[in-house]
Amino acid sequence: GQQLNQSPQSMFIQEGEDVSMNCTSSSIFNTWLWYKQDPGEGPVLLIALYKAGELTSNGRLTAQFGITRKDSFLNISASIPSDVGIYFCAGQLGNQGGKLIFGQGTELSVKP
Amino acid sequence: SAVISQKPSRDICQRGTSLTIQCQVDSQVTMMFWYRQQPGQSLTLIATANQGSEATYESGFVIDKFPISRPNLTFSTLTVSNMSPEDSSIYLCSVAQGENNEQFFGPGTRLTVL
Repeated sequence: GQQLNQSPQSMFIQEGEDVSMNCTSSSIFNTWLWYKQDPGEGPVLLIALYKAGELTSNGRLTAQFGITRKDSFLNISASIPSDVGIYFCAGQLGNQGGKLIFGQGTELSVKP
Repeated sequence: SAVISQKPSRDICQRGTSLTIQCQVDSQVTMMFWYRQQPGQSLTLIATANQGSEATYESGFVIDKFPISRPNLTFSTLTVSNMSPEDSSIYLCSVAQGENNEQFFGPGTRLTVL
C-alpha cells in the first residue's frame, strides 16, 4: 500500500530558529495536508495543498506541494515555544475527499 | 470548520469487554471516518462511516471487531469489541468538510485495555 516517509523523526531547536520537515512517497497524491497534534488532542489542520508546485503560507508556516506530486515540505520560521508538538503530513488520493495516508510524524521541541 | 466532539474522552477497560465511542458533529457532513493511533505512532484509517449503509473497512480491519454505526449525518459510533491490550490506542473520528473536503479531527478517545 501507499506509504509516506516523513523526516526528520524529531527535532530539537532553539527558539527563533527556522524549521524544515518533509514527506516523500512512491505514490502520486492529489492533495497534501499538514497537521499538528498536541498531547491529548486530535490533529489540527495547518495547511492544505491542491496543485503540484503550489506554495502556501499560514502565518509563520509555509508548505509546498512538490512538482512530481510525490513530496511536500513544511517550513516554520522564527519558532516559538508553542510550536512544540508532533507534525504530520498526509496525502490524499481522490479529489472528493476520502482516505488520508499519514506520515510517521516529526516531533518538534523548542528550547526557550 | 465543524465542531467535533467524542465521548468518552478516555477509558480504561478490561480485556474481553467492548467499548462504544461516539462522535458528534455540529453540522451535517457527508463523509465521516474513524482512525486509530497506536501509542507513539501515526494515524491509520479504520473505516469510512457511510450514512445509511455499511461502513467501508480498510485492509486489516473487520466489522466484527470494529462495528460502526452512522444513523444520520451528524453522528457515528465505533465499537471496539472483545478488547485486548493490543487495542490500547487513541481512536479519532474525522469529517470531510469545505470546498475541498479537507478532513478535520475530533479530540480523540484514549483507550487503555488491561
